[in-house]
Amino acid sequence: AQTVTQSQPEMSVQEAETVTLSCTYDTSESDYYLFWYKQPPSRQMILVIRQEAYKQQNATENRFSVNFQKAAKSFSLKISDSQLGDAAMYFCAYRTSYSGGGADGLTFGKGTHLIIQP
Amino acid sequence: AAGVIQSPRHLIKEKRETATLKCYPIPRHDTVYWYQQGPGQDPQFLISFYEKMQSDKGSIPDRFSAQQFSDYHSELNMSSLELGDSALYFCASSLGRGTRQPQHFGDGTRLSIL
Repeated sequence: AQTVTQSQPEMSVQEAETVTLSCTYDTSESDYYLFWYKQPPSRQMILVIRQEAYKQQNATENRFSVNFQKAAKSFSLKISDSQLGDAAMYFCAYRTSYSGGGADGLTFGKGTHLIIQP
Repeated sequence: AAGVIQSPRHLIKEKRETATLKCYPIPRHDTVYWYQQGPGQDPQFLISFYEKMQSDKGSIPDRFSAQQFSDYHSELNMSSLELGDSALYFCASSLGRGTRQPQHFGDGTRLSIL
């Protein structure tokens, strides 16, 4: 079974600065997808960014980018120019590619609570 | 853009009662997933359906069942409710399973067991 580990229960950053959230995962599969979801106090689950394992290029979405290191099984999220609205719980998630068989539900990490200091 | 619709938003039940949660996926999405998120926990995958057939099963208790109907909406039926079933239940939908298409989540149903 796949596991996802987020080793930082809480992170704090000053507004306008950059912060990096860590995520590592364990899998024996070669084809899979990785995601970062944001859960603000409203408890909605909002997709932030996704990465296909077969792509070497790191995904970027505006101020959000990832550092995907497949050999190290690492998938960190960098948030640039942090804004107050970025304050939320961030979950790293793993899903197998159906071509590789296995489960198609997401496996989440325990989450990192991001605090933005004004 | 249309999103995943879940109803009800809040539900209060007593122990040993039954509950039914409903999920209406984004139009054209053929895959539905159910997750349970306890207080302070990460979401746990329960079950998924693709084209009205069960696709995958996670940590769903035997007291729970679910199905996907011809219009692709899904219902999660919960019986003999326990205090530990108090949680936020998310439904998500996607176009296809195991594809690069991400899962889009609804706003969740908050279930409280008294």
